[in-house]
Amino acid sequence: GIQVEQSPPDLILQEGANSTLRCNFSDSVNNLQWFHQNPWGQLINLFYIPSGTKQNGRLSATTVATERYSLLYISSSQTTDSGVYFCAGGRRGANNLFFGTGTRLTVIP
Amino acid sequence: DVKVTQSSRYLVKRTGEKVFLECVQDMDHENMFWYRQDPGLGLRLIYFSYDVKMKEKGDIPEGYSVSREKKERFSLILESASTNQTSMYLCASSLQVTVYGYTFGSGTRLTVV
Repeated sequence: GIQVEQSPPDLILQEGANSTLRCNFSDSVNNLQWFHQNPWGQLINLFYIPSGTKQNGRLSATTVATERYSLLYISSSQTTDSGVYFCAGGRRGANNLFFGTGTRLTVIP
Repeated sequence: DVKVTQSSRYLVKRTGEKVFLECVQDMDHENMFWYRQDPGLGLRLIYFSYDVKMKEKGDIPEGYSVSREKKERFSLILESASTNQTSMYLCASSLQVTVYGYTFGSGTRLTVV
């Protein structure tokens, strides 16, 4: 399978701070996605971003497909941003995704 | 919005029991997936299905089987539950990964005692 490395594994932020999460892939991937898992376990799809940059409110993501990495930016963090962030990707033509081990974000007031 | 419903939020079973985890999606998604999530290991794919009665092994299929008799329902079966199958189980569905991405259910936390 494809190895997915996420960094940092844990992150503690003061409310209002900015952060960058990184995801590296061992092989070329298609279908790169970012997810947020809230403290109750629900995983929500944040971005589908096989390449380029997308923004959604305080979140944005950039994928450099040729270098096999993606970045998730969180600006002006809020306590509701707490949880685990996963990136995932799959091979072209495949329907399954490989997930990283996640970055656990804690935003303190 | 696509809704993926897992039948149980919490489940406690005894070693050796046969366990069924059910997942239903309310859109016309071809693809359905079962993952387990363990601390430090992320999400690992157990099985997936891209059509009715079709199934493919994921990374960790040992000790599990699946059933997809109808398009909207994908069941995960633990033939003889063991304590090392204590985990969070997540079901997901997608129309096409390349276009619509994954939608997850809220998970079933299974404890085998």
